[in-house]
Amino acid sequence: DAGVIQSPRHEVTEMGQEVTLRCKPISGHDYLFWYRQTMMRGLELLIYFNNNVPIDDSGMPEDRFSAKMPNASFSTLKIQPSEPRDSAVYFCASGQTNTEAFFGQGTRLTVV
Amino acid sequence: QQQVKQSPQSLIVQKGGISIINCAYENTAFDYFPWYQQFPGKGPALLIAIRPDVSEKKEGRFTISFNKSAKQFSLHIMDSQPGDSATYFCAARGLFSGAGSYQLTFGKGTKLSVIP
Repeated sequence: DAGVIQSPRHEVTEMGQEVTLRCKPISGHDYLFWYRQTMMRGLELLIYFNNNVPIDDSGMPEDRFSAKMPNASFSTLKIQPSEPRDSAVYFCASGQTNTEAFFGQGTRLTVV
Repeated sequence: QQQVKQSPQSLIVQKGGISIINCAYENTAFDYFPWYQQFPGKGPALLIAIRPDVSEKKEGRFTISFNKSAKQFSLHIMDSQPGDSATYFCAARGLFSGAGSYQLTFGKGTKLSVIP
């Protein structure tokens, strides 16, 4: 298995633009997580899904953030409109009950 | 209540020395304690993990010590090498109430530098 695949690896966008981050979890994993990593706040859980259903989105910072998981092999995290303070590395991870989470390589987002 | 507190924030160790990173938690519903290692530009990767029914787990040069009564656990890296230089995260996972509920909470991380 290729692991958790995220795209793009790097994204530079202007303030106010819409940004979409993509994730393909490991096949067979029924949990999918979106994390944000910054120097100041470390790794923060934004939202997670179980069997494609959002379970906890309490970590989503604002209504500008939304996440979807239309099927077991794909998820998106969208920021609209983007702001400079959204600049961070966004990680997608997947896992199963009673196993650890496996992380993707991350998307480095820079909003200028 | 679901926080995991990690210390120190950064650590410098000489090659061959022992690196020790500590974590503490509050919520007794946590039932699985993994450590992740992250190199620059990469995602965190599982290093070693422990369940609360054992007090110690060793894998090669890496050992987790777990103190259930104190709600503390630590990572020891023996014979530290420059290649161990990375950021280490402790985490705690619990299956809380609600269908499909699963919480993996991370510490803030420790940046380890092993100098030759």
